[in-house]
Amino acid sequence: GESVGLHLPTLSVQEGDNSIINCAYSNSASDYFIWYKQESGKGPQFIIDIRSNMDKRQGQRVTVLLNKTVKHLSLQIAATQPGDSAVYFCAETTPFGGNQGGKLIFGQGTELSVKP
Amino acid sequence: GAGVSQSPRYKVTKRGQDVTLRCDPISSHATLYWYQQALGQGPEFLTYFNYEAQPDKSGLPSDRFSAERPEGSISTLTIQRTEQRDSAMYRCASSQDVAYEQYFGPGTRLTVT
Repeated sequence: GESVGLHLPTLSVQEGDNSIINCAYSNSASDYFIWYKQESGKGPQFIIDIRSNMDKRQGQRVTVLLNKTVKHLSLQIAATQPGDSAVYFCAETTPFGGNQGGKLIFGQGTELSVKP
Repeated sequence: GAGVSQSPRYKVTKRGQDVTLRCDPISSHATLYWYQQALGQGPEFLTYFNYEAQPDKSGLPSDRFSAERPEGSISTLTIQRTEQRDSAMYRCASSQDVAYEQYFGPGTRLTVT
């Protein structure tokens, strides 16, 4: 069936280093991808999104890369800070071309731990 | 409102009881989603509303689960005859429309004993 999965369940980085979190998806019909950050005890918080007609999108300290050929998504966090420590989820959806109503299909999640 | 709110934040109930969870979305948001999130996992889709309409309820685990949004704003998720396996975090999200960013609420932690 359709699924979104993460390669690495945990990632530990030193403060100031760059972090890369990876995600694989299987539904080639997905046309919208989102990265969420979830801190302990809170709901998922939107970080950055990308549509399938793009391969790169940059935000503040974050960059999302989309490789449709191999169905791979990554989140790059520059100069990682202790406040970035959280679980990161990728999610896919088909709000534009499909009839999914924008429902999100989430991956497993990667826990990012930033060491000061 | 300023954000999505959910109530109660925590609910402990005995097996066999009915529970109703409430979601108050961001005002003017047309679309509202319900997700179930197990510990350590990503949220899983249950159902969604576009105003009052409920186009998709394919994620509801059984007919014990139902959701309403009668006036296109506040929504409730009801679980009848709760079972232990229903224990989870239930999250609500709202968005301007289906193709827009979803804002998640803090969730309701349901424990069925």
